[in-house]
Amino acid sequence: SQTIHQWPATLVQPVGSPLSLECTVEGTSNPNLYWYRQAAGRGLQLLFYSVGIGQISSEVPQNLSASRPQDRQFILSSKKLLLSDSGFYLCAVTGVFGYGYTFGSGTRLTVV
Amino acid sequence: AQTVTQSQPEMSVQEAETVTLSCTYDTSESDYYLFWYKQPPSRQMILVIRQEAYKQQNATENRFSVNFQKAAKSFSLKISDSQLGDAAMYFCAYRGLYNNAGNMLTFGGGTRLMVKP
Repeated sequence: SQTIHQWPATLVQPVGSPLSLECTVEGTSNPNLYWYRQAAGRGLQLLFYSVGIGQISSEVPQNLSASRPQDRQFILSSKKLLLSDSGFYLCAVTGVFGYGYTFGSGTRLTVV
Repeated sequence: AQTVTQSQPEMSVQEAETVTLSCTYDTSESDYYLFWYKQPPSRQMILVIRQEAYKQQNATENRFSVNFQKAAKSFSLKISDSQLGDAAMYFCAYRGLYNNAGNMLTFGGGTRLMVKP
């Protein structure tokens, strides 16, 4: 069965600093991968998705970027964080056909 | 494009009682999947139940069941014998089979369920 690892769990970063969040998947090959952001008590906003190495689709123009350097690795980055980048970031992978997503445990990012 | 609507931002239920969370969706497809996810205070997303649109029978998982009305494009979640651990944000989600780049899910805005002891 597939598993998904996401780290770090919590991050406090100053405004203007860089960001790198990592997500890796085990137990599957050529997965579809996603990054979501969730404001406190709110819904899920799709940021990026990837259907293969080097293939990134951006859903929302913003201060963030994503990369997929390896088949099972998905990275969310920023060169300079803004206060508005604070939130809860979730990585997800498409599960077995018809079974939706498997989610990582999330990263709580606070920009100060 | 598909949309998923959860019209109840918040719901509350007394422990041991039954509660129903609403979800409607808009699609032109005939085959698709529907899901309910639970997000407890830990914020880990947990799959509660799934429904295949071509199946007439409503899905059930222990105390969780759905009322799937395909013609009405409605997919409600019923929680029976509510427990304190059911308190969470619940998200309804849709996945189409065709024209779905990346096999992605479309999520509703969520319903926060509070359980009163």
